[in-house]
Amino acid sequence: GNSVTQMEGPVTLSEEAFLTINCTYTATGYPSLFWYVQYPGEGLQLLLKATKADDKGSNKGFEATYRKETTSFHLEKGSVQVSDSAVYFCALPRSGYSTLTFGKGTMLLVSP
Amino acid sequence: DAGITQSPRHKVTETGTPVTLRCHQTENHRYMYWYRQDPGHGLRLIHYSYGVKDTDKGEVSDGYSVSRSKTEDFLLTLESATSSQTSVYFCAAALGGEDYGYTFGSGTRLTVV
Repeated sequence: GNSVTQMEGPVTLSEEAFLTINCTYTATGYPSLFWYVQYPGEGLQLLLKATKADDKGSNKGFEATYRKETTSFHLEKGSVQVSDSAVYFCALPRSGYSTLTFGKGTMLLVSP
Repeated sequence: DAGITQSPRHKVTETGTPVTLRCHQTENHRYMYWYRQDPGHGLRLIHYSYGVKDTDKGEVSDGYSVSRSKTEDFLLTLESATSSQTSVYFCAAALGGEDYGYTFGSGTRLTVV
């Protein structure tokens, strides 16, 4: 079935540093891909998505490009802020079901 | 976005007791989901519903049951709580089956002692 693998965290950065969080997927066909973010003490929120190969999703300065050649959907941001400290989840639809399968999450810690 | 309210926010219960968690949404979304979040496992789907009285199992459904008698309410019941069910439980809702822009509640932290 469909699955995603994320890099393990925590990722620790200083403010204004460049961020990359790796996500690779295994899937039948070319499903939509998603990044969700979870701030401390809250539920997950949709951050961005890409619905087909070569699409780029973007939101709040974050970007991710759907690359079928490398089966990847890496999350990037040019300059992180302390307020970006959160757990980030890569996700894709579960094969044959109307549900999402999430990665294990990557914690990002940004210091001033 | 759907307003999702989970109750209770925190609960401590004893092994062997039944527990019911409630999820309430205010936007008439057809699909609702229950996930559990555990360190090292991320989010795992327990059960989901695709309409009133229509439910299906997720990856980790053993020991859990659900009910949806109204569009706005989705209940998760632990039949006989065990320590392995200590977790944070999240409810989510979505407009339709292909709408993966889920709206999540704030979670219920359940501790089974």
